[in-house]
Amino acid sequence: SQQGEEDPQALSIQEGENATMNCSYKTSINNLQWYRQNSGRGLVHLILIRSNEREKHSGRLRVTLDTSKKSSSLLITASRAADTASYFCAARYNTDKLIFGTGTRLQVFP
Amino acid sequence: EPEVTQTPSHQVTQMGQEVILRCVPISNHLYFYWYRQILGQKVEFLVSFYNNEISEKSEIFDDQFSVERPDGSNFTLKIRSTKLEDSAMYFCASDSGHPYEQYFGPGTRLTVT
Repeated sequence: SQQGEEDPQALSIQEGENATMNCSYKTSINNLQWYRQNSGRGLVHLILIRSNEREKHSGRLRVTLDTSKKSSSLLITASRAADTASYFCAARYNTDKLIFGTGTRLQVFP
Repeated sequence: EPEVTQTPSHQVTQMGQEVILRCVPISNHLYFYWYRQILGQKVEFLVSFYNNEISEKSEIFDDQFSVERPDGSNFTLKIRSTKLEDSAMYFCASDSGHPYEQYFGPGTRLTVT
């Protein structure tokens, strides 16, 4: 199976703390994309990281990719209550479709 | 900022009825997708569409499903005879090709009773 797993399944932190979420995948990827989903809502695109990249930044977000371990991590620095959501990684393998991970539910307490 | 739009936001239908879910992808995008998410589960790929034809479909996308791009802007998903297990959030997505960032619409929540 190419489907990925994410950990932790759930994460609770205080505002101002950093949140780290991890994603694993099974075989070689073309790219990996991270999305945020507020409860019952749509998927918001956060970052795409290509297989030949090791790190990307976007505002308070940092994504790393370790192809030797087939894993990626999403770091949200200085978290805010508004960051409360589910976060998903999605891998693009050798076709156009995305294979989604199981997601991490992040709760940020004010 | 351009975005993918979907209508309706919520559709309730009776088992056995046909439904059409509509999407307007981002205007300069070339690749179109449908995904679904059953409540509490992963987002699952259904079908991809490029150059006016299906490029890939999943096992879920059986004969009761079809997709169409009837004009230059709309992209539709039809379910011919809905089943209870078709109840899910259906997402449309599009990308422009390289660098392959897929942008998703807000989803249509389909409830089959």
